Amino acid sequence: GENVEQHPSTLSVQEGDSAVIKCTYSDSASNYFPWYKQELGKGPQLIIDIRSNVGEKKDQRIAVTLNKTAKHFSLHITETQPEDSAVYFCANGGGGNKLTFGTGTQLKVEL
Amino acid sequence: DAGVTQSPTHLIKTRGQHVTLRCSPISGHKSVSWYQQVLGQGPQFIFQYYEKEERGRGNFPDRFSARQFPNYSSELNVNALLLGDSALYLCASSLTGGPNYGYTFGSGTRLTVV
Repeated sequence: GENVEQHPSTLSVQEGDSAVIKCTYSDSASNYFPWYKQELGKGPQLIIDIRSNVGEKKDQRIAVTLNKTAKHFSLHITETQPEDSAVYFCANGGGGNKLTFGTGTQLKVEL
Repeated sequence: DAGVTQSPTHLIKTRGQHVTLRCSPISGHKSVSWYQQVLGQGPQFIFQYYEKEERGRGNFPDRFSARQFPNYSSELNVNALLLGDSALYLCASSLTGGPNYGYTFGSGTRLTVV
């Protein structure tokens, strides 16, 4: 069935360093790959997404890469700041009516 | 512009009771989806409604039901509550029928079943 694995579950970096979170998926029909940031007491917020016809997308300090052959995609955050501390979720959609989410990565950016 | 509004924000129910959760989507959005987020896990899909019709259902028992009203707001109902139903229930609003053009999530309703 559909499954999205996300690693690592926790990630601690020093302010200014880069952070990388990786996800693998099983559904070959997946064509949409969003990343969400969830802060305490709030709902997930879309921060970047990529579609299957693109291998990489960048938005300021955030970038996402997609390897459809290997069925994995990654989130890269450069020059991390304390306000980047949150739980990050990858997800995928197959053009249907739902997203399948990963299990989340708790990112902590230390001063 | 108002975002996605969910009510109530928190509630506590007893096992066996019934609960109704409410969601108002962003103005102009015609699709509402419901997700359950158990502590420490990612959200899991429950339902999607578009133009007042159910367009998708996740792997949840029949105790879970939902509907969408003419103004595109939505209700999620859960009957015969179990302890395992304790979770954050999220509503996602989107312009079209699917998530592939970006969901906007509400802040959720935290349900505790005791």
